[in-house]
Amino acid sequence: GAGVSQSPRYKVAKRGQDVALRCDPISGHVSLFWYQQALGQGPEFLTYFQNEAQLDKSGLPSDRFFAERPEGSVSTLKIQRTQQEDSAVYLCASTLGTAMNTEAFFGQGTRLTVV
Amino acid sequence: DAKTTQPTSMDCAEGRAANLPCNHSTISGNEYVYWYRQIHSQGPQYIIHGLKNNETNEMASLIITEDRKSSTLILPHATLRDTAVYYCIVRVDFVGKLIFGQGTTLQVKP
Repeated sequence: GAGVSQSPRYKVAKRGQDVALRCDPISGHVSLFWYQQALGQGPEFLTYFQNEAQLDKSGLPSDRFFAERPEGSVSTLKIQRTQQEDSAVYLCASTLGTAMNTEAFFGQGTRLTVV
Repeated sequence: DAKTTQPTSMDCAEGRAANLPCNHSTISGNEYVYWYRQIHSQGPQYIIHGLKNNETNEMASLIITEDRKSSTLILPHATLRDTAVYYCIVRVDFVGKLIFGQGTTLQVKP
């Protein structure tokens, strides 16, 4: 596709439920990032993939959060046993390469509401 | 930490230039300055970036001071569709992780 695609756009989960959020990056993009954006705040980094390798997961808030990109294209962010503080917009971004002067393309995000 | 400081909000009249300042006094010599904006309910959108020299593209101009401790994003003829949160970001590592601050909410008024 022409841009980064995320699904679903909206997800309502009951507390304790597991959720999976999908990101389709731009074809051929090497790097993929996940960010979490709480209401009224700027996005915060969660994790980074270069192809299929997860090189940085320092931003994942707990071991309930898990991300994968098994074939170096589509990525899934999984949250186990969701809690109310997990309610946020989850953004995916991709870049063509890894150079320092590369622009990132963001998806529209998945808004997760935990009730 | 975001490494940048921006005003919380600004207003601009439609058709006039919008000048958005950003302070990044601790920037390192090889760190780029990036600007993104986020329109309500959308993902951030890339605007422009620069290292030392001033840059211009179809969306905006970026003016970086000679000491690189501050910069200004200029939208030459603001429209109502430019109403958004504008983020000034200093790239912090080689992988491209972006550290967002609170940004500046720009309100373009008719």
